[in-house]
Amino acid sequence: KAGVTQTPRYLIKTRGQQVTLSCSPISGHRSVSWYQQTPGQGLQFLFEYFSETQRNKGNFPGRFSGRQFSNSRSEMNVSTLELGDSALYLCASSLGGGPGGGELFFGEGSRLTVL
Amino acid sequence: DQQVKQNSPSLSVQEGRISILNCDYTNSMFDYFLWYKKYPAEGPTFLISISSIKDKNEDGRFTVFLNKSAKHLSLHIVPSQPGDSAVYFCAADESSGSARQLTFGSGTQLTVLP
Repeated sequence: KAGVTQTPRYLIKTRGQQVTLSCSPISGHRSVSWYQQTPGQGLQFLFEYFSETQRNKGNFPGRFSGRQFSNSRSEMNVSTLELGDSALYLCASSLGGGPGGGELFFGEGSRLTVL
Repeated sequence: DQQVKQNSPSLSVQEGRISILNCDYTNSMFDYFLWYKKYPAEGPTFLISISSIKDKNEDGRFTVFLNKSAKHLSLHIVPSQPGDSAVYFCAADESSGSARQLTFGSGTQLTVLP
């Protein structure tokens, strides 16, 4: 069973640009979540999608957005990039059985560097 | 305001000894807790979880203890092996919420010395 796949794995952008990251969840998983990891900050929740609907959103500015397609694949977009957006962006999928319904399965992440 | 705190950024343990990683939380609505392990350049992988109706859950070398009154949980690894060297994240969830959203601690780097 293939795991969570994220593309691209690494990318470099400059301030003011925008970026789109992609995530393919484990087959059969309908919930996709996005997290940002920065040194010393752990993983910060960005948003969660289930059946193409955003169910929850973390405390991030509107420059961070996402969507989910009918095949459960998800994309997140960051517009007007800032230096502080440099981070590892992790996608996670789960069956979507609700909170406490089991673990999240994470992809390897997309490492974004903003110059 | 960090709702899940891992106050030790690093821990070194000798191979074969016990590793104890600690985690504190402040949100009394959290009722499901998980531990994840992360190697460099890889995504976090699930280790073990515990529901608030329990105070202990064991899986092989890994045991998680939950003290609800103290809002504290710990992960015990016995015996520790060099391959256990990784960053360990504690995470918490609210079953009354409407979505899958884990709140993570900042992680503890465990180094197991051969």
